Amino acid sequence: SQQGEEDPQALSIQEGENATMNCSYKTSINNLQWYRQNSGRGLVHLILIRSNEREKHSGRLRVTLDTSKKSSSLLITASRAADTASYFCATGGNDYKLSFGAGTTVTVRA
Amino acid sequence: DTAVSQTPKYLVTQMGNDKSIKCEQNLGHDTMYWYKQDSKKFLKIMFSYNNKELIINETVPNRFSPKSPDKAHLNLHINSLELGDSAVYFCASSQGLLTGELFFGEGSRLTVL
Repeated sequence: SQQGEEDPQALSIQEGENATMNCSYKTSINNLQWYRQNSGRGLVHLILIRSNEREKHSGRLRVTLDTSKKSSSLLITASRAADTASYFCATGGNDYKLSFGAGTTVTVRA
Repeated sequence: DTAVSQTPKYLVTQMGNDKSIKCEQNLGHDTMYWYKQDSKKFLKIMFSYNNKELIINETVPNRFSPKSPDKAHLNLHINSLELGDSAVYFCASSQGLLTGELFFGEGSRLTVL
């Protein structure tokens, strides 16, 4: 069964605006990761946050993790047309596998 | 150089046929995976191998048989293809077993007619 569930399923924003998407999961984790998938391409790793971390930044990306609520958020600031993609959260636990959700599709309008 | 490469990129075949997808990584990783992405983009793990040893075998029909001849290669053979096997299959690799960053191939889109 899937572990992470992203919300919203789809998001459309204007270039320059911020995009926020959320991920909820069910069981305890060691880490949570976010990936981007451009149309017709493979997934690309964006950022990893460990279970003992609360916030992490990478360029225009900001990830938060609330283990008490079993949720994470990904914020993309000052979005660009090139940010148009699907974004997936994935949870890693002690079962040696990374479990993905169905993703949030982000469209950035010029 | 492509880090994780899989071939072919597209397969179109008839029900009942057998097909294989090959994957190679040049990152020196010791763990490789097969994931299946359905039409709703949900990504589900199928298998993982660590140092050629099968670690994860999710509830996958035994028509699917992975083979890892060495650490750098993980192939997927599918027998007696069914309509429901139509999907995009992704190969990935990582260093170690404890779910660090995964590096994905570009995917192989399988269409069963």
